[in-house]
Order: sequence, then structure tokens, then C-alpha cells
Amino acid sequence: DVQLLESGGALVQPGGSLRLSCAASGFVFPDYGMNWLRQAPGKGPEWVSGIGATGSTTYYADSVKGRFTISRDNSRETLYLQMTSLRADDTALYYCAKAPVSRGALAWFDPWGQGTLVTVSS
Amino acid sequence: EIVLTQSPATLSLSPGERATLSCGSSQSVPYTYLAWYQQKPGLSPRLLIYDASYRATGIPDRFSGSGSGTDFTLTISRLEPEDFAVYYCQQYGSSPSTFGQGTKLEI
Repeated sequence: DVQLLESGGALVQPGGSLRLSCAASGFVFPDYGMNWLRQAPGKGPEWVSGIGATGSTTYYADSVKGRFTISRDNSRETLYLQMTSLRADDTALYYCAKAPVSRGALAWFDPWGQGTLVTVSS
Repeated sequence: EIVLTQSPATLSLSPGERATLSCGSSQSVPYTYLAWYQQKPGLSPRLLIYDASYRATGIPDRFSGSGSGTDFTLTISRLEPEDFAVYYCQQYGSSPSTFGQGTKLEI
């Protein structure tokens, strides 16, 4: 079974930084694009960032461009999201999700992890 | 970016009935690159349909998707108790990929 396990969520002050991790198992991690999505309480999901299978191509939503950095370590089968200059509107449950193809964006997502909560508040 | 509008916001039905959920797009969705997800409380979204009409692995055949261009539909032919949840559509034909605001299917 494909499994995705996020970690690293926490309460952080505005302007702070955080790194999320997503440990993958059950599939050939280096063959697939991966993505981060988020969901604020009571809202629909929002795509945040994607990365191609090799890590050489990355994609970002305008709302996080310049503040967030996606990366992956294929030897460790782990996806990362480095978040800086965090704002209150970044508060959400952050999910990692697998794409069905090697490209890192413009795909459906299946499966999603269980999510890790990021709260930005003073 | 493409804005997806789902209707109705809430749909109240009973087990055994047919459910029809709509997803309208502000622009034509290229290649009918549209997906549907189901989300139950406390759980992550689960893929139901991709490319507008293809069921994901393990999804019962009472779920079907249709549509093209700017109008898409998710149909649940006979509702089971476990189908009551929130449903989201997602387009992935134009960057950035975007989601609708959801339809809550309630008893």
C-alpha cells in the first residue's frame, strides 16, 4: 500500500520558519512527481507546490512563491517543504500527495497523507 | 486562474436516492483534466474520478463523472450511508491547479 506520512507541523509566530517532511513508502518514489497541498479550516483544498520526479523542476502557487521551497531526497524517499516568512493566512493542514506521473504539477493527486497542522499566530 | 464553482453548496438526500453534483468552470478546462474527491470528517480527500470520467482504483461503479468544457457532473446512482461527505472538484488542465469550494452531501 502507498503510504505518505507528514510531520513537522507546529505553532509558529508570524515571520517564522518551519520545515515539513513527508515520508513515502509502498511505491517507487523516484518515479513520481510529488506535491504539497493545504486546507484551511472549513475551506476547500489549495495546491501549494509540486516537484518533478528527479527534483529538477519545481512549481509554486503565487501565494507562496519566494517564501516556500519544495525539495525531495529520493534516496531517503522523503519530500520536504521549507516555509519562511510565515503569515497568519498560511495556517492550515498541510498534505503531501502523490502525482500519477513523473511531472510535478498539473495532475490529480492520489493518495494524500493524513496531514500536518501548521498554525501561524502570535 | 480557473475558478471552479460547485453547486449546490449543500445537498440533502436519503440513502437509495440519486445524487447529482455540479462543478462549473470560469474557463474551459483543457483536455477535460478534472478530478473529483470525497472527504469525510477528520480524513484526507480521496480520489474518486480523474480525467472527468475515469473511476479511480477501488471506487464503486455507483460513482460516475461526466462533462467537458466548463460544465462537469459527479453522479452517485444510489446513495449508500457511507457516501455522505463533502465532495470537491479539481482542475489540473491549467496552471495553477485549482479546487472548488465543495458540496456537502448530507442525509
